[in-house]
Amino acid sequence: SQTIHQWPATLVQPVGSPLSLECTVEGTSNPNLYWYRQAAGRGLQLLFYSVGIGQISSEVPQNLSASRPQDRQFILSSKKLLLSDSGFYLCAWRPGLASYEQYFGPGTRLTVT
Amino acid sequence: SQKIEQNSEALNIQEGKTATLTCNYTNYSPAYLQWYRQDPGRGPVFLLLIRENEKEKRKERLKVTFDTTLKQSLFHITASQPADSATYLCALDYGGQNFVFGPGTRLSVLP
Repeated sequence: SQTIHQWPATLVQPVGSPLSLECTVEGTSNPNLYWYRQAAGRGLQLLFYSVGIGQISSEVPQNLSASRPQDRQFILSSKKLLLSDSGFYLCAWRPGLASYEQYFGPGTRLTVT
Repeated sequence: SQKIEQNSEALNIQEGKTATLTCNYTNYSPAYLQWYRQDPGRGPVFLLLIRENEKEKRKERLKVTFDTTLKQSLFHITASQPADSATYLCALDYGGQNFVFGPGTRLSVLP
């Protein structure tokens, strides 16, 4: 069966510090991968998606970036965090365009102080 | 841009009753509409998907309807239980990578 992992689970970082969140998927190959951010009381905001290694599409201009160095690994990064980057970050995958539901990871709670 | 509204931010119902959650959208209808459940501090979990040419879809105590004329989907939980308490999200899927999530409705089922 497929599983998705995210780490760390929680993170407190000062403004201006770098960020690296990691997501890995097991039990599947060539998944579509997604990074979302969820602010309190708001819906999921799609940040990045990837359909293959090295292929990243950005949905929202911001100080965040994403990379996919391996088939089942997706990384969200920032060189300098802003207060507005605080939120709940979720990684998700789906098998491909033929399957429409998404499978989410446990999330990372980021607090920028 | 597409706007999604989900009835109220919070909904309280008595155990055993039917919970009805609403998802309304503007602009054009999606090819698919999905419903997810999210527990506090956890990632959303997929529940049901309904296509634009389907009127209704059922899964155990769950029922989803999709009315492209009204631009609305209704999500029903029959014989609700306290364990059904969670936030429920609707998502519009236009195909490819084009999808939008609603803000969610927090459902509380009171014993």
